Amino acid sequence: DAGVTQSPTHLIKTRGQQVTLRCSPKSGHDTVSWYQQALGQGPQFIFQYYEEEERQRGNFPDRFSGHQFPNYSSELNVNALLLGDSALYLCASSSGTLVFWANVLTFGAGSRLTVL
Amino acid sequence: TQLLEQSPQFLSIQEGENLTVYCNSSSVFSSLQWYRQEPGEGPVLLVTVVTGGEVKKLKRLTFQFGDARKDSSLHITAAQPGDTGLYLCAGAGDDKIIFGKGTRLHILP
Repeated sequence: DAGVTQSPTHLIKTRGQQVTLRCSPKSGHDTVSWYQQALGQGPQFIFQYYEEEERQRGNFPDRFSGHQFPNYSSELNVNALLLGDSALYLCASSSGTLVFWANVLTFGAGSRLTVL
Repeated sequence: TQLLEQSPQFLSIQEGENLTVYCNSSSVFSSLQWYRQEPGEGPVLLVTVVTGGEVKKLKRLTFQFGDARKDSSLHITAAQPGDTGLYLCAGAGDDKIIFGKGTRLHILP
């Protein structure tokens, strides 16, 4: 049973460029959340997708956008990259049918983005 | 804005010692989770606590949820090098799960 898979694992971009990160959720999960983890910090919530719609959003600018596909996989897009966007981007899947407080997140290994 | 403060930020102790790390907030959470993250990997769930005052044990790890559901602690007995990692607490509230900055634990053999 595959867990959460993310691609690419590492990538390097320059300021002003755009990046797309991809995530396939764990089998049986229908909700995908994206987190940004800067070096030495805890994960910061970006947004969550359920039924192909953004359900919740954290304190991130509109440069960060996402999409969820009918097969529950998801993409995170970041436009006009800044040096401060360098971080580990984590995707986590869960079941949207559970009562929220009982939800358990299963994380992927992340995509490490370096912006030069 | 809901925030989770974790302390200490760093902890380095000898194998066999006991330790406690803390997770505090001014907000009430529906549930609180503890994760462990190792380098190059995503966080892995250790436990979820839901009821105020709840205590859960996972081998040498003991997790406690505060009576008011605003804080939690993780106690490790007889720490081992395999316990090394980043320990993150996460609170469920406002329809999303938020994380503290973590406690980086290093167990010296």
